[in-house]
Amino acid sequence: DVKVTQSSRYLVKRTGEKVFLECVQDMDHENMFWYRQDPGLGLRLIYFSYDVKMKEKGDIPEGYSVSREKKERFSLILESASTNQTSMYLCASTLRRNQETQYFGPGTRLLVL
Amino acid sequence: AQSVSQHNHHVILSEAASLELGCNYSYGGTVNLFWYVQYPGQHLQLLLKYFSGDPLVKGIKGFEAEFIKSKFSFNLRKPSVQWSDTAEYFCAAAGGYQKVTFGTGTKLQVIP
Repeated sequence: DVKVTQSSRYLVKRTGEKVFLECVQDMDHENMFWYRQDPGLGLRLIYFSYDVKMKEKGDIPEGYSVSREKKERFSLILESASTNQTSMYLCASTLRRNQETQYFGPGTRLLVL
Repeated sequence: AQSVSQHNHHVILSEAASLELGCNYSYGGTVNLFWYVQYPGQHLQLLLKYFSGDPLVKGIKGFEAEFIKSKFSFNLRKPSVQWSDTAEYFCAAAGGYQKVTFGTGTKLQVIP
């Protein structure tokens, strides 16, 4: 079974702090994704990566950046957290193409005060 | 840009009732279609998917979905729901080489 893990289930941060969310997958998947999930809005893609050191903007990249230094690890960075970034953040991966079945992590619920 | 619409935001059913959740997508070419489910406190997982072939696909836990190309639809069905089906259901589509787009989700509440 593919396992996708996220570094924290819950985080509380203050406005202006730099926040790092980490995601690790153990199945040698090429593609990794970061989404945020908000009630009534579904999942919105923030960034994705199709290879080490490669990244592409999703639908809502503003206020976020990402890092993929190793194939198994994909980090989401909030450079200066704001209250409107309070959300559930989901990491996912696919084997080769981004149209394949996605495997999701458990999510990180971030509260920015 | 492709889009995915889920018509029902919140559905409440009694156990043993039949379920149909609507999903429409906007992409006109070859498309991959998915239904994902998120049970309370659990992570999103695949329920079923359609890539090609038989337009009626069967998934886990007795769910099925029918791809109707002429209607751009991929509705999810289950003949008889159980309390354990209480969850949020997301339809998703990926057309051509585009990234996957998710719908806004449907919360299903099954009353014992």
